[in-house]
Amino acid sequence: NAGVTQTPKFQVLKTGQSMTLQCAQDMNHEYMSWYRQDPGMGLRLIHYSVGAGITDQGEVPNGYNVSRSTTEDFPLRLLSAAPSQTSVYFCASSGRLAGLRPSDEQYFGPGTRLTVT
Amino acid sequence: KQEVTQIPAALSVPEGENLVLNCSFTDSAIYNLQWFRQDPGKGLTSLLLIQSSQREQTSGRLNASLDKSSGRSTLYIAASQPGDSATYLCAVSRGAAGGTSYGKLTFGQGTILTVHP
Repeated sequence: NAGVTQTPKFQVLKTGQSMTLQCAQDMNHEYMSWYRQDPGMGLRLIHYSVGAGITDQGEVPNGYNVSRSTTEDFPLRLLSAAPSQTSVYFCASSGRLAGLRPSDEQYFGPGTRLTVT
Repeated sequence: KQEVTQIPAALSVPEGENLVLNCSFTDSAIYNLQWFRQDPGKGLTSLLLIQSSQREQTSGRLNASLDKSSGRSTLYIAASQPGDSATYLCAVSRGAAGGTSYGKLTFGQGTILTVHP
């Protein structure tokens, strides 16, 4: 298994540009989430999904959109990038243990480092 | 609003020392607590997950304890090695229907650990 993959690894945007950060997992996990990591602030939840077609907001959702059309993919869209969105973005997933009760052990991707100028 | 604090922010120890990292949280109504390791420029790796009904978890040289009533957790690392150098993060979650946190975690800011030979 590749686990959780994220693309691109690095990205530089100009203010006002849009882009999509890709996240995919091959573990058949139901739950996926997006976090941003900023110096001195730890990781903060942006959006999360409890299954295909179901998403909800986290702590810092403004400026970001998500959708989940398949179990495997959970892209994060920046509609109009701002310098305040300069950060490292992590995608995570979790699922069930062999079809039984949910497991909260989180699997994280390697991150996307985004700079907005 | 849940707040998670980790002390110390940074720690430097000689190889072979036993050490303790601290994590405190303001809302004791947690579902579980997780400790993660993050290497520079990488994603997070789950080390230990403690359910709210548990007091501790152990994995190799790592032992994590949880005192929910006082809002504290400690991560104990025995016989530290240079390879343990990394940032250690703790995160808490609230439960939801279905017995899972859905990946909605609140993180501390982390402790940067350096183990020198």
